[in-house]
Amino acid sequence: DQQVKQNSPSLSVQEGRISILNCDYTNSMFDYFLWYKKYPAEGPTFLISISSIKDKNEDGRFTVFLNKSAKHLSLHIVPSQPGDSAVYFCAASGSDYKLSFGAGTTVTVRA
Amino acid sequence: DAGVIQSPRHEVTEMGQEVTLRCKPISGHDYLFWYRQTMMRGLELLIYFNNNVPIDDSGMPEDRFSAKMPNASFSTLKIQPSEPRDSAVYFCASSGQFNQPQHFGDGTRLSIL
Repeated sequence: DQQVKQNSPSLSVQEGRISILNCDYTNSMFDYFLWYKKYPAEGPTFLISISSIKDKNEDGRFTVFLNKSAKHLSLHIVPSQPGDSAVYFCAASGSDYKLSFGAGTTVTVRA
Repeated sequence: DAGVIQSPRHEVTEMGQEVTLRCKPISGHDYLFWYRQTMMRGLELLIYFNNNVPIDDSGMPEDRFSAKMPNASFSTLKIQPSEPRDSAVYFCASSGQFNQPQHFGDGTRLSIL
């Protein structure tokens, strides 16, 4: 049973524009959320996280927004760069510290 | 800084053989996780350790799977006997304190013929 859902399998964006990736979750006990980026033949790389006590966290070009009432989070990448082309995974955990991952969104940044 | 190191990177073996995957976590990290990635089920947690002790193995699919962590710098995931449906990419990850981001190795691509 998928507790973390990324409903868009792919996203194509022009270089310099904003990329917005979405993620929904069903488990109200989740209190820690993360985004990972993955290139082919490599492991996922941590990008940014947010705890449930916040609604926004920013790190350079990456911003994560959390809407607890809607059980929704999003990742904004501004501006998008060619090196951002990768698969992005949303993940969440509760007090048991077990990460549940979404299926991933493949981002392609066009020159 | 060295990241999480997994070996081998690729493993091809015949059904029924024993398979051992290895992981060296980041030095100083107290938590170690084993994940499996497949097209059907995505990334799923198999088992995790805290201070070398298995905490939750509810994701281990069958008794054919076992994992050990004999010391803070080494863990193994063993499949015996292996089956074609075990073919997947297996990732190891480690993290420091509770609720710190997990850092992943580059995975072992396992193919069971």
